[in-house]
Amino acid sequence: GAGVSQSPSNKVTEKGKDVELRCDPISGHTALYWYRQSLGQGLEFLIYFQGNSAPDKSGLPSDRFSAERTGGSVSTLTIQRTQQEDSAVYLCASSLSAVGYEQYFGPGTRLTVT
Amino acid sequence: SQQGEEDPQALSIQEGENATMNCSYKTSINNLQWYRQNSGRGLVHLILIRSNEREKHSGRLRVTLDTSKKSSSLLITASRAADTASYFCATDLVMNRDDKIIFGKGTRLHILP
Repeated sequence: GAGVSQSPSNKVTEKGKDVELRCDPISGHTALYWYRQSLGQGLEFLIYFQGNSAPDKSGLPSDRFSAERTGGSVSTLTIQRTQQEDSAVYLCASSLSAVGYEQYFGPGTRLTVT
Repeated sequence: SQQGEEDPQALSIQEGENATMNCSYKTSINNLQWYRQNSGRGLVHLILIRSNEREKHSGRLRVTLDTSKKSSSLLITASRAADTASYFCATDLVMNRDDKIIFGKGTRLHILP
């Protein structure tokens, strides 16, 4: 594809349910990032992948959050037992490499936990 | 604590005026980038400046970097209504052998007609 895509674009879920968010990076980009953005706030770093490995998971808010990347391409961010404070826009970005390259962002997934 | 912090948090100017936003950071960096975000969705990369560069231009954008003061500024000249957006600086940190990019909270720029 021409850019980073994310699905779904919007997700409404009930508190306690699990959700899976998907990110398709630009082909050939080895680095992939997940961020969370609450209304009117900056980006909160969650996790990044270099290839299939995640050197830095320090941003994941709790053990309810996990992410994986397979084949150096698609990534999924899973939130188990969702809470209302998980409501936010989840943004994915990819770049050629983790160092010194611009990030290309997807349109985000707006998650609402009711 | 926040690595990159933009200043001011919000800025309103008349169309045609210049807009200046600043970013301060705490630790040594390899690069600093500026991004724009419209409508709270995906960010768009504007410009990247490396730690050995002091100034960079791209169209109506001018970015400066002062590593001694750990600060950067983004200047938008001859502002237009379409420049209304949030602007973020992003710094990449050298942590052990892994880099990660940290975004600030952004400056909300509003161009008045």
